[in-house]
Amino acid sequence: GNSVTQMEGPVTLSEEAFLTINCTYTATGYPSLFWYVQYPGEGLQLLLKATKADDKGSNKGFEATYRKETTSFHLEKGSVQVSDSAVYFCALSGVRSQGNLIFGKGTKLSVKP
Amino acid sequence: ETGVTQTPRHLVMGMTNKKSLKCEQHLGHNAMYWYKQSAKKPLELMFVYNFKEQTENNSVPSRFSPECPNSSHLFLHLHTLQPEDSALYLCASSQTGESSGNTIYFGEGSWLTVV
Repeated sequence: GNSVTQMEGPVTLSEEAFLTINCTYTATGYPSLFWYVQYPGEGLQLLLKATKADDKGSNKGFEATYRKETTSFHLEKGSVQVSDSAVYFCALSGVRSQGNLIFGKGTKLSVKP
Repeated sequence: ETGVTQTPRHLVMGMTNKKSLKCEQHLGHNAMYWYKQSAKKPLELMFVYNFKEQTENNSVPSRFSPECPNSSHLFLHLHTLQPEDSALYLCASSQTGESSGNTIYFGEGSWLTVV
């Protein structure tokens, strides 16, 4: 079945450091891929998405490229800020096209000043 | 401001109480979802409604009872819950279909504590 694996956290970085959060997936067909972010005490917000191979999603300085050959969708940011501290979830769309998503376990990011 | 609104944001209930969580989406979507997020488990899909019809019940105990009166509103009725049901309950909506990209939009969640 479809699944998402993302790197275990927590990840602790200093401000302005480079961020990579790895995400790999297993899927049949051609799912869409997503990164969601959850700030403390809040629900999930869509951060970025990619709907086909080689697409790059980007938002707020974050980027992720849909790599079919390596079944990956790694999240990157060149210079993190304290305000980026949150939990990041990688997800892929379900194959039954019902719209439900399959989520990874989440990676907690803490950015120190 | 999110297009998916959940109330209440916080709820404390006893194990014998009956309460309901409410969700409303203002995005014109045709599908709505309940997810559970607890400290010990990853995000769990509970229920899916497409065009008001329940299309998925992910082995959820009967003490959780969903209701979807129309495509904009979704309820989760709670009855005789257990302390381990304490969690963040997230409502979400999406527009399903081949061209939609299946993007799901979440509400801010309802924090439930069962005492």
